[in-house]
Amino acid sequence: DQQVKQNSPSLSVQEGRISILNCDYTNSMFDYFLWYKKYPAEGPTFLISISSIKDKNEDGRFTVFLNKSAKHLSLHIVPSQPGDSAVYFCAASAIGGGADGLTFGKGTHLIIQP
Amino acid sequence: GEEVAQTPKHLVRGEGQKAKLYCAPIKGHSYVFWYQQVLKNEFKFLISFQNENVFDETGMPKERFSAKCLPNSPCSLEIQATKLEDSAVYFCASSPRGAGLETQYFGPGTRLLVL
Repeated sequence: DQQVKQNSPSLSVQEGRISILNCDYTNSMFDYFLWYKKYPAEGPTFLISISSIKDKNEDGRFTVFLNKSAKHLSLHIVPSQPGDSAVYFCAASAIGGGADGLTFGKGTHLIIQP
Repeated sequence: GEEVAQTPKHLVRGEGQKAKLYCAPIKGHSYVFWYQQVLKNEFKFLISFQNENVFDETGMPKERFSAKCLPNSPCSLEIQATKLEDSAVYFCASSPRGAGLETQYFGPGTRLLVL
């Protein structure tokens, strides 16, 4: 049973517009959420994170929103740029020490159209 | 170093052969993690270390997989008697000292192909 779900395998957005990537989770024990960006043949690159005590975290063009009651988070990228075209993974970790393995979603392929 | 380093980039093995993958975490990071990406977009957690101690190995196939993180050496993931289904990209990640909410930083991965 998948504990972290990204239901959109792909998303196409026009350059300059807002990209919204969604992620749902089922495990109530998750308390830390991360977004990673991945280009082909490279490792995931950390983008932004949020802990369960917050509902929003912002870093430049990237904002992550967390709705704990709905077990839903989203990543907003504004304005979208061509270099944002990549696969985006949502990941979560459960309460515990820093050695907890991450649980990943299956990713959303974001395509930024010129 | 400033980045997680993984070697080799590519590894080809015949079924039944041994495969050994290496990971050097970011300098100063005490936690090391191994993940397996079998299908294009699915990551599976294998094992984590706190310094040289195994912390969580719930994802490790016990029979053929083993891992170590020894002082002053790169961490390693070894697969004895590889099978076709072991073909995957293996990612190593590290995170800083400290418990709780820590970001994991990933290496570029080792692509293992078992023929």
